Amino acid sequence: DAGVTQSPTHLIKTRGQQVTLRCSPISGHKSVSWYQQVLGQGPQFIFQYYEKEERGRGNFPDRFSARQFPNYSSELNVNALLLGDSALYLCASSGPPVGGKNIQYFGAGTRLSVL
Amino acid sequence: AQRVTQPEKLLSVFKGAPVELKCNYSYSGSPELFWYVQYSRQRLQLLLRHISRESIKGFTADLNKGETSFHLKKPFAQEEDSAMYYCALWANNFNKFYFGSGTKLNVKP
Repeated sequence: DAGVTQSPTHLIKTRGQQVTLRCSPISGHKSVSWYQQVLGQGPQFIFQYYEKEERGRGNFPDRFSARQFPNYSSELNVNALLLGDSALYLCASSGPPVGGKNIQYFGAGTRLSVL
Repeated sequence: AQRVTQPEKLLSVFKGAPVELKCNYSYSGSPELFWYVQYSRQRLQLLLRHISRESIKGFTADLNKGETSFHLKKPFAQEEDSAMYYCALWANNFNKFYFGSGTKLNVKP
């Protein structure tokens, strides 16, 4: 198993554009979480999805949305990009059979630059 | 409000010295706490969780509910322990994770 995979690895957008980031969880994991990590800070929780339903949401504006597909992969969408959205976006999956509930397995992240 | 505080951005120690990385949390419910570690050019990964009460790579962490702390300790630091360490809280009442801002541990030879 390759672990949690995220695509693309890097992305450059301009202000006002929209972006979609993708994540494939560890095989068997049904929960996917998204985080934003700005340089010098810890990951900030954006969403958690379980069985295709949103279970938790962080303090992010409605420009941020996500969904989870029947195969448990997930997409994070950000509309009307702002310069402040420039960050590393991390995806994490959790659940049996690998690890347990709430043990997050992280992907390598997508580096988003907004110009 | 829920939060996780790691007061030290950088901690430098010599090899063989004891290490303590501090973590304090604010949460009214029953917390589930974790330490995650990120080695150079690697992904963020779980180091340990308070529920397991185990020692991983010589590190231990004890949940102190009275002081709302979950400090990470190791009696004898090794150079390979140099990494970024994050304390994290799962707030079950809110279905949210909270991460601290991280402490960079530098173990000098």
